[in-house]
Amino acid sequence: NAGVMQNPRHLVRRRGQEARLRCSPMKGHSHVYWYRQLPEEGLKFMVYLQKENIIDESGMPKERFSAEFPKEGPSILRIQQVVRGDSAAYFCASSLLRGNEQFFGPGTRLTVL
Amino acid sequence: AQTVTQSQPEMSVQEAETVTLSCTYDTSESDYYLFWYKQPPSRQMILVIRQEAYKQQNATENRFSVNFQKAAKSFSLKISDSQLGDAAMYFCAYRVVGSTGNQFYFGTGTSLTVIP
Repeated sequence: NAGVMQNPRHLVRRRGQEARLRCSPMKGHSHVYWYRQLPEEGLKFMVYLQKENIIDESGMPKERFSAEFPKEGPSILRIQQVVRGDSAAYFCASSLLRGNEQFFGPGTRLTVL
Repeated sequence: AQTVTQSQPEMSVQEAETVTLSCTYDTSESDYYLFWYKQPPSRQMILVIRQEAYKQQNATENRFSVNFQKAAKSFSLKISDSQLGDAAMYFCAYRVVGSTGNQFYFGTGTSLTVIP
């Protein structure tokens, strides 16, 4: 049973471009969480999704950031018009049910030039 | 407010010795989980140990153990017989049981160096 997969592992974008980060949860898991880790900081919650629904997006910046988890395919975290301050490691985690253990993916390191 | 505080940005320990990493948290919830995660240079988040708040007995995983003081909202990690492979960032985290969000709250981390 493969773990949580994230791709790409490293992503470089120029200011103003779009970044798309993908997360494939563990097999059978329908709950996905996105976290952001800025340099020298701990992980901060961004958004919690269940298949086709956003459950909690209280940690998402109000502009430029969006997330989806379609019925088929991976969860996508999309950052439009990236700025240097978006440079960070983005982790996703998945769980089988809402209250269950969350398993983390390896993260995507986004660098904005 | 849900906060996790790790007051030691950096710690070092001699190989084979014991080190304790501190963590305090603040929550008004009564039912929650506490965790310690290890993040090596690969940046993978590796679960080290977890504790259910309703359990009085301190969790133990091989060389890793915790000192959970619920009234003081303290959750320290003790690493015994430290090994070179223990060198990493360590994050304390907690997660409320049954909340709508179910998300983790992480501290800012403690960087552990193991001296050969």
